[in-house]
Amino acid sequence: DTGVSQDPRHKITKRGQNVTFRCDPISEHNRLYWYRQTLGQGPEFLTYFQNEAQLEKSRLLSDRFSAERPKGSFSTLEIQRTEQGDSAMYLCASSSPLVGTDEQYFGPGTRLTVT
Amino acid sequence: AQKVTQAQTEISVVEKEDVTLDCVYETRDTTYYLFWYKQPPSGELVFLIRRNSFDEQNEISGRYSWNFQKSTSSFNFTITASQVVDSAVYFCALSERAGRRALTFGSGTRLQVQP
Repeated sequence: DTGVSQDPRHKITKRGQNVTFRCDPISEHNRLYWYRQTLGQGPEFLTYFQNEAQLEKSRLLSDRFSAERPKGSFSTLEIQRTEQGDSAMYLCASSSPLVGTDEQYFGPGTRLTVT
Repeated sequence: AQKVTQAQTEISVVEKEDVTLDCVYETRDTTYYLFWYKQPPSGELVFLIRRNSFDEQNEISGRYSWNFQKSTSSFNFTITASQVVDSAVYFCALSERAGRRALTFGSGTRLQVQP
């Protein structure tokens, strides 16, 4: 499979617990993005990596959120001390300026439910 | 600040009807990109088209066509002879200036195509 993959697909956690999600981008893509989508809304940008460098962060990314891309390949998004308001679909996307027109290709998402 | 408005929350048509999805955007940049994505019931966002701000030519791809008008800040999407498989949520998105990668999405239009 050559698309963007995300793991897990679903996560149920209790308020206050920490969770970590993983994203594997399309192999030749050096740009990686995280978005959050709540029910009935469009995705909202969280953060962006080019290779291993985190170049852009949204104000939505509070201090409880941290994202890494240690070797410029896969990325992780961690949420500490989860709150019910964190319940959403977390989407990962990847792109490359050398492939097509640098459009972002999205993975299937990780649906987080905080109880 | 950038903003994308999709005023049509939900549209229902009968198969073979033509349907137009509206998108209006706001940006202060002169260089920007506009996108349309499809989110079928399976949930994965599918890239449809990217248009840059300097290219106002309309585009046609099979049953899909896009009308970009800078004068009215609109980037509308028309499906000709709709099919049941076109049923999905469609998102319009905007990214501003080279170097800033974040996509700003509209709230989406849910299209239901009835057989």
